[in-house]
Amino acid sequence: GEDVEQSLFLSVREGDSSVINCTYTDSSSTYLYWYKQEPGAGLQLLTYIFSNMDMKQDQRLTVLLNKKDKHLSLRIADTQTGDSAIYFCAEGNSGYALNFGKGTSLLVTP
Amino acid sequence: DGGITQSPKYLFRKEGQNVTLSCEQNLNHDAMYWYRQDPGQGLRLIYYSQIVNDFQKGDIAEGYSVSREKKESFPLTVTSAQKNPTAFYLCASSIDVGSSAKNIQYFGAGTRLSVL
Repeated sequence: GEDVEQSLFLSVREGDSSVINCTYTDSSSTYLYWYKQEPGAGLQLLTYIFSNMDMKQDQRLTVLLNKKDKHLSLRIADTQTGDSAIYFCAEGNSGYALNFGKGTSLLVTP
Repeated sequence: DGGITQSPKYLFRKEGQNVTLSCEQNLNHDAMYWYRQDPGQGLRLIYYSQIVNDFQKGDIAEGYSVSREKKESFPLTVTSAQKNPTAFYLCASSIDVGSSAKNIQYFGAGTRLSVL
């Protein structure tokens, strides 16, 4: 499938903001998703954004979408140690399986 | 509670053996998926099914087989033809209501398969 690219690792200090970036190549993607995976667990949906939106905010999470550049970002405000996990960006068209990036490991240090 | 249940949590396979991973959902979802996760590789699609008695190969179907006899169940068999089966296997489901609809996938907790 088309590629979804993410940086592999990000380290931030507790209380700072985290920004995880993602680029995708399929211009026909209708929805873009962010999932969180804690060690040894499945994936938990954090948020999603429809392709005709450019921003979505949900409590500490802000998603920004630049459709022209095919760039998606997830900002976590006031990052906590419990936010340490792997974050996956995914793109999809309805009715088909999602195309995932390789995940960004977020480490939050005290 | 509604959700997706994968079992077992850990599974060991002997050489030449077929093993079956269970995935059950009570979300009344039409579509179900199997992914394989290797360190640093992200998720790769093995098989998916959009309706009972129908399924499609994903990107890495070789050495795997599935069935979809019931809406709630989508078991994955790792056959002896899969030479490198050690991985974390994730099952997911979605409503799959057709075009222009969000296809949120909900995941089980995963099965970790190791080779003895």
